[in-house]
Amino acid sequence: SYELTQPPSVSVSPGQTARITCSGDALPKQYAYWYQQKPGQAPVVVIYKDSERPSGIPERFSGSTSGTTVTLTISGVQAEDEADYYCQSSDSSGTYRVVFGGGTKMTVL
Amino acid sequence: EVQLVESGGGLVQPGGSLRLSCAASGFTFNNYEMNWVRQAPGKGLEWVSYISTSGSTIYYADSVKGRFTISRDNAKNSLYLQMNSLRAEDTAVYYCARDQSHYYDSSAYYRPGYFDYWGQGTLVTVSS
Repeated sequence: SYELTQPPSVSVSPGQTARITCSGDALPKQYAYWYQQKPGQAPVVVIYKDSERPSGIPERFSGSTSGTTVTLTISGVQAEDEADYYCQSSDSSGTYRVVFGGGTKMTVL
Repeated sequence: EVQLVESGGGLVQPGGSLRLSCAASGFTFNNYEMNWVRQAPGKGLEWVSYISTSGSTIYYADSVKGRFTISRDNAKNSLYLQMNSLRAEDTAVYYCARDQSHYYDSSAYYRPGYFDYWGQGTLVTVSS
């Protein structure tokens, strides 16, 4: 079955830039989405269609794509950005299937 | 304000059944595709099922196919998940989520969009 691979954890100091990657063979052909989830809360979309930012999401969140890897970049990280981050996409088979990455826990030091 | 409120979770024995509900408000429910997504304790997100606006098109994750049934009642602005033959590995918080921005890829397959609104979740625990 299709998988999206994320690093389990990322650590960053306040004010620095965090980059979280998500790798999958179908990513060159399918959109990727990114969610932020804080403890005890439902996920919130922070990036859609690879690099679009929903209204209300701070400009420090951005998305990019290169080949089979998509990247969520958080510039000028703040303490409130500490959370789990998940990528979402689909494979390129004929089957409708939503796939999530395993998640990355971002710690703000 | 968009609101999704799940209910119906609880403790159930292995092999048992449970029906989850999701009450939607603040938007025109019958204009949106909907999904169920679950999250086992301390684990990541797992998509469970999708239903089209009319209910005529439905998809399931392989892990629940044949055991779970998604449905909706547009007159009641409600989404449902009937869960049968429950297993310990079905233990999770179940979220209903509104769907957005589906697209057709280069091979003309209909592909998932993203989930722009989520409920607060309802916990299902399968244990004897």
